[in-house]
Amino acid sequence: IAGITQAPTSQILAAGRRMTLRCTQDMRHNAMYWYRQDLGLGLRLIHYSNTAGTTGKGEVPDGYSVSRANTDDFPLTLASAVPSQTSVYFCASSDWASGSTDTQYFGPGTRLTVL
Amino acid sequence: GQNIDQPTEMTATEGAIVQINCTYQTSGFNGLFWYQQHAGEAPTFLSYNVLDGLEEKGRFSSFLSRSKGYSYLLLKELQMKDSASYLCAVMDSNYQLIWGAGTKLIIKP
Repeated sequence: IAGITQAPTSQILAAGRRMTLRCTQDMRHNAMYWYRQDLGLGLRLIHYSNTAGTTGKGEVPDGYSVSRANTDDFPLTLASAVPSQTSVYFCASSDWASGSTDTQYFGPGTRLTVL
Repeated sequence: GQNIDQPTEMTATEGAIVQINCTYQTSGFNGLFWYQQHAGEAPTFLSYNVLDGLEEKGRFSSFLSRSKGYSYLLLKELQMKDSASYLCAVMDSNYQLIWGAGTKLIIKP
């Protein structure tokens, strides 16, 4: 693989169910991010991780959790999905260093529908 | 609060030039990014400006004025494949990206 992969590509989920969106990168980037993209709104940061073992909350973290056990993987979990979490989810990574402005590279996205 | 403004939609003709504007109000400034996003695809990086002035990269150029909180993306010799959304994003004082809603560019033959 090259770059960032996300799985699944799309998913329809019943409200109340638990769901994990997967993200894997092979660029050895230290920083990873999860965004959601909704029509008419800019990308909004859900959670991020500047390095393996650390995570932080973004603009819209409620209802989501993440973990960063290693450099390559950054799964996003919806503990109990609600219809307002219907969105397109993008994972991104960057070669972040404190005070740097490195470019973020995006995965292909997961289209999630919660009914 | 933090705010990024860009037009919702623009239309241009194949072969022409188009300028997409972006104004911003953020807590701190550590650079401005432009990304291109084709429908149903991921955003891809186009340009980065941190100093005032014009950065040229082939058919695409990006301009920044920090004092005015203003940037534009200039696309020359438009091609049909340039039909996409163009996203403006500013890196704030916490080194997080604040994103505009994007400008959908429609190219007509």
